[in-house]
Amino acid sequence: SAVISQKPSRDICQRGTSLTIQCQVDSQVTMMFWYRQQPGQSLTLIATANQGSEATYESGFVIDKFPISRPNLTFSTLTVSNMSPEDSSIYLCSVERFDGYTFGSGTRLTVV
Amino acid sequence: AQSVAQPEDQVNVAEGNPLTVKCTYSVSGNPYLFWYVQYPNRGLQFLLKYITGDNLVKGSYGFEAEFNKSQTSFHLKKPSALVSDSALYFCAVRDSGGFKTIFGAGTRLFVKA
Repeated sequence: SAVISQKPSRDICQRGTSLTIQCQVDSQVTMMFWYRQQPGQSLTLIATANQGSEATYESGFVIDKFPISRPNLTFSTLTVSNMSPEDSSIYLCSVERFDGYTFGSGTRLTVV
Repeated sequence: AQSVAQPEDQVNVAEGNPLTVKCTYSVSGNPYLFWYVQYPNRGLQFLLKYITGDNLVKGSYGFEAEFNKSQTSFHLKKPSALVSDSALYFCAVRDSGGFKTIFGAGTRLFVKA
């Protein structure tokens, strides 16, 4: 399975600020996926990031709030912009491999 | 549109007894089906998948799942539960013609000693 390094692992941020989450994969992948998970709840897909093109966002998520970069085939960032307490959640990146999806360890974000 | 349902929020089972965690799905094409497990304060771990072939899929930690096309189900099973199996389990589905994976709401499994 792919190894994904995701950072930061956790952060506490002031409302109105922005946080950028980074994911580094140990091999080249076409698509990277960004999810949000409320503690103890299911995962919700935020967007799909392809290298060289704009990310595809799911209903309820917009680029201005969650800008994504995908500069190469092994790296992506998700920014949570103008944060509010409602953005407190766990954010995960994921890539698809032959034997299933591999997930980063997650970023636990608390907005105060 | 694809969807996945886990009808049970929680499943309780005694250690040593068989366990089943239910999952039903809906896709327009052929389904790719997955089970993941999440232990407290840990990331998601892949358990098993169904792409094609045998309806009974064997995965990690002694888990298996049975694909039933007529009932559009993919229930997770284990013949003998362990206390250490207590965790949150997610079923996920992807349409074979697409790339987006949808996760179920999750089922919390409690195995009592």
